[in-house]
Amino acid sequence: EMQVVESGGGLVKPGGSLRLSCKASGFPFSNAWMSWVRQAPGRGLEWVGRIKRKTDGGTIDYAAPVKGRFTISRDDSKDTLFLQMDSLITEDTAVYYCVKRGSWYMDVWGKGATVTVSS
Amino acid sequence: SYELTQPPSVSVSPGQTASITCSGDKLGDKYACWYQQKPGQSPVVLIYQDNKRPSGIPERFSGSKSGNTATLTISGTQAMDEADYYCQAWDSSVVFGGGTKLTVL
Repeated sequence: EMQVVESGGGLVKPGGSLRLSCKASGFPFSNAWMSWVRQAPGRGLEWVGRIKRKTDGGTIDYAAPVKGRFTISRDDSKDTLFLQMDSLITEDTAVYYCVKRGSWYMDVWGKGATVTVSS
Repeated sequence: SYELTQPPSVSVSPGQTASITCSGDKLGDKYACWYQQKPGQSPVVLIYQDNKRPSGIPERFSGSKSGNTATLTISGTQAMDEADYYCQAWDSSVVFGGGTKLTVL
């Protein structure tokens, strides 16, 4: 069964940092394009960013609200995706989903990691 | 940046047909997907490539597109279909619509 499991969420003060991890299993992680999608309380889904597989250049793209503050990386040897979040603001409070892109749609979603930015 | 527009809410009576629209500039040139999200759960894909259903998705869910508007249709709506629905497309990035809350009255 294809699965991704997020970890690392928590409470952090504005201006602080947090690193999320996403452990994948059940599929060849190194072949996958992976994204982070977040959902603020009571709000809709918001794409955060994506990292392509290395054979496609490993390109990383970010949504405008997080560009320059968030960094996506991957460790294919450990089947793990990361999201480093710096200079956090209250608007970054959300559930963060790790998502695998399939051939035509985002086919594997984690249960999400909750990040709360508050003083 | 690219945007997809959905109605915030749609109401339907049990057994009736619900339609949720998603519009975006040049959406006609892109493929649309639809996801269902129930409270406290992760999204699940219902439709991809405008009108294809992954295995395991009930036939009452269907998708279509006309011009720059994609539509998710739920036939014979059931109480269990009450959820939030999101359209999604790929531009230079991944774009989600704002979501539609479906209420089954």
